[in-house]
Amino acid sequence: DIVMTQSPDSLAVSLGERATINCKSSQTILYHSNKKNYLGWYQQKPGQPPKLLIYWASTRESGVPDRFSGSGSGTDFTLTINNLQAGDVAVYYCQQYYYSPITFGQGTRLEIK
Amino acid sequence: QVQLQQWGAGLLKPSETLSLTCAVYDGSFSGYYWSWIRQSPGKGLEWIGEINHSGSTNYNPSLESRLTISVAMSKNQFSLDLSSVTAADTAVYYCARGRTTVTHDVFDIWGQGTMVTVSP
Repeated sequence: DIVMTQSPDSLAVSLGERATINCKSSQTILYHSNKKNYLGWYQQKPGQPPKLLIYWASTRESGVPDRFSGSGSGTDFTLTINNLQAGDVAVYYCQQYYYSPITFGQGTRLEIK
Repeated sequence: QVQLQQWGAGLLKPSETLSLTCAVYDGSFSGYYWSWIRQSPGKGLEWIGEINHSGSTNYNPSLESRLTISVAMSKNQFSLDLSSVTAADTAVYYCARGRTTVTHDVFDIWGQGTMVTVSP
């Protein structure tokens, strides 16, 4: 199985500042034929299911604020949250969907400093 | 707005069969792949498997020997059966929709989750 490793496990960021979460896959998830990275990002708040934020590594899901952005290619990816707001407190997960079985990162807990 | 509503038994004894059903409301059932995903403190998020409207399935090899995912197209429902459960199967189970019509995708619509506990 493809192992998705996120870093850090947790971080605390001040309101209005930038949060950066990393995700590394054990094999490339870039499909050269279509130049797409098969990587998604989710936000999960307590008691709720995960919410899709980003797919194809950098495409925002409809309705997701542009403060959320994804980048990276191959095996290394980043989720950036600009102008951090109180409502962004959550656990964030990456997911690869290039290989079967689909696998997720272990999660990064984001808190307010 | 598509909604997923899931239900099933929340407390099981070891060796019993876990059974959950997910109903799709206010949206197209055909054309998409529908997945089961579970979340436990120990293993995080784990994809269990998926099915489409015609019954084509893909399973996580780690669970395949105990797993059956089925579809009831006329009811816009799909179901999960996991046999011979142990404490390691204790988790919150979610149903979810693949974002597009292809297999292996991100998940844009999720059910509310069902906590399943396996205890003697």
